Amino acid sequence: QVQLQESGPGLVKPSETLSLTCTVPGGSISSYSWNWIRQSPEKGLEWIGYIHYSGASTYNPSLKSRVTMSVDTSKNQVSLKLSSVTAADTAVYYCAKWSSAWRAFDIWGQGTGVIVSS
Amino acid sequence: DIVLTQSPGTLSLSPGERATLSCRASQTVDSSYLTWYQQKPGQAPRLLIYGASSRATGIPDRFSGSGSGTDFTLTITRLEPEDFAVYYCQEYRESVMLTFGGGTKVEIK
Repeated sequence: QVQLQESGPGLVKPSETLSLTCTVPGGSISSYSWNWIRQSPEKGLEWIGYIHYSGASTYNPSLKSRVTMSVDTSKNQVSLKLSSVTAADTAVYYCAKWSSAWRAFDIWGQGTGVIVSS
Repeated sequence: DIVLTQSPGTLSLSPGERATLSCRASQTVDSSYLTWYQQKPGQAPRLLIYGASSRATGIPDRFSGSGSGTDFTLTITRLEPEDFAVYYCQEYRESVMLTFGGGTKVEIK
């Protein structure tokens, strides 16, 4: 069973860049697509985008201008950068593995909370 | 963009009762990309149903999914204490966009 672990600063100042990392143990990073999803009371669950281990990516059109995802296969890590953050970006951020067989997110990290505040 | 509307917002039921949750899409959804998740407080969502009607590994058979087109249903035949949670539907259009519904909370009456 793949276990995902998100990490990053819990507090980010407005206008700065939020940076999170998802660690995928066991070398399985090279077999799947990895997604970032966030959840807030205001917006509920919101898909941010995905990155394939090959580097191909697709982002939510509403966030596309501010999102960058990358994959580092040597470290078994997937990264999310969200620029120019505002209070509206305050949320719990999850990484999740996409199962191409089931066409669904079958493995989720525990999530990491991010607050945007000065 | 497709909007997924879940109803009711809250379902108050007793253990042993049947729960019927609705997910209605603003446009036709490919059933193979319609998914249901369960989320308990402080936890990440957990995959329940994929492809509109297939149970994920380890999901009890009291959970079932059905529907097509724009109307999908998650049914829990006999609620167990551990089933009280929030349920989300989700759809995906390949290489375009992925959307979650607003959720239905199943609470103990």
